[in-house]
Amino acid sequence: NAGVTQTPKFRILKIGQSMTLQCTQDMNHNYMYWYRQDPGMGLKLIYYSVGAGITDKGEVPNGYNVSRSTTEDFPLRLELAAPSQTSVYFCASSWGQASYNEQFFGPGTRLTVL
Amino acid sequence: KNEVEQSPQNLTAQEGEFITINCSYSVGISALHWLQQHPGGGIVSLFMLSSGKKKHGRLIATINIQEKHSSLHITASHPRDSAVYICAVSDSQSSGDKLTFGTGTRLAVRP
Repeated sequence: NAGVTQTPKFRILKIGQSMTLQCTQDMNHNYMYWYRQDPGMGLKLIYYSVGAGITDKGEVPNGYNVSRSTTEDFPLRLELAAPSQTSVYFCASSWGQASYNEQFFGPGTRLTVL
Repeated sequence: KNEVEQSPQNLTAQEGEFITINCSYSVGISALHWLQQHPGGGIVSLFMLSSGKKKHGRLIATINIQEKHSSLHITASHPRDSAVYICAVSDSQSSGDKLTFGTGTRLAVRP
């Protein structure tokens, strides 16, 4: 199993550009998450999904959108990139709720907005 | 909202030393997770616990629910243990779907 894969690994965007961060898992997990990690800060939840067709906002959703059309894929869309979105983005998945299941993380995408 | 605090923020140890990393949280939880972030950035789950103690190899995690505190111990530390160790909690007052993360403890083990 590849686990959780993310593409791209690195990206530089100009202010106002758009992009999609891809996330795929092959473990048939129901739950998927997008986090951002800023220097010196804990991981912050952007969006999460408890199954195909179901998504919900996390702690810091502004400036992002997601969709979950299949169990495997959970892309994160940045519509109008801003310098505040410079961060490392992690996708994660789990079989069920965080209270009862460990999360499996992708390798991360380092995004810089200039 | 749960506040998760870890101590120390940075820790340097000599190979072979016994290491303790602490995590405190402010609100009752359903579960506590310990994660390891490698120098290359990858994150892996080490433990998930809701009571008592768990052991895996040289790693031991304990939790005291009454005191809202958990510790991660590393016995006979090795340079390959150098990483950032992250504590995260699942808040029992919420749906349980989401984790709140600490800022991490950066550990460097010198040979």
